[in-house]
Amino acid sequence: DAGVIQSPRHEVTEMGQEVTLRCKPISGHDYLFWYRQTMMRGLELLIYFNNNVPIDDSGMPEDRFSAKMPNASFSTLKIQPSEPRDSAVYFCASTTGTMSGTQYFGPGTRLTVL
Amino acid sequence: DQQVKQNSPSLSVQEGRISILNCDYTNSMFDYFLWYKKYPAEGPTFLISISSIKDKNEDGRFTVFLNKSAKHLSLHIVPSQPGDSAVYFCAVSSGTYKYIFGTGTRLKVLA
Repeated sequence: DAGVIQSPRHEVTEMGQEVTLRCKPISGHDYLFWYRQTMMRGLELLIYFNNNVPIDDSGMPEDRFSAKMPNASFSTLKIQPSEPRDSAVYFCASTTGTMSGTQYFGPGTRLTVL
Repeated sequence: DQQVKQNSPSLSVQEGRISILNCDYTNSMFDYFLWYKKYPAEGPTFLISISSIKDKNEDGRFTVFLNKSAKHLSLHIVPSQPGDSAVYFCAVSSGTYKYIFGTGTRLKVLA
């Protein structure tokens, strides 16, 4: 299996621009998670989906952030407009609905907003 | 505000010695605890977990200890190897898939 795939791996943009991060979960996984990693706050859960439906978006920092999962094999996290404080590494993870629920992470997208 | 704390941002250990990484949490409702390891430019990978009904779980060189009364979790690596050098995150959950992660501890194992 290819694992969780994220694109792009690096994104540099200017303040005010729209940014779209993409994720392909592991086939057969029905849970998908978006995290943000910063030095100060570590790994923060932004939102997670079950069977393509958003379950908990309480971690989304503000209305500039939105996430969608149009089908079982694709999800996007969009920031519009982007701000310098959004600079971080964004991870996508997926898992199956089993007792262990181990989450498998993608390699991340390093976002820099100038 | 931080529900999960890893108070040591970094740790250096000699190869062959024991590495002990610590994690404290605030909410006694958490019932599932995990450790993830992260290498540079990669996503975190699952290492070991423990449920609240146990106080110890062992997997090879890695052992996780849970002290519920102290709300404290620790990861022991024995013996430490240079390949263990990474950032270690503890995570907690309360019966859901919503994990709360700590800020991480960077472990450096010196050859």
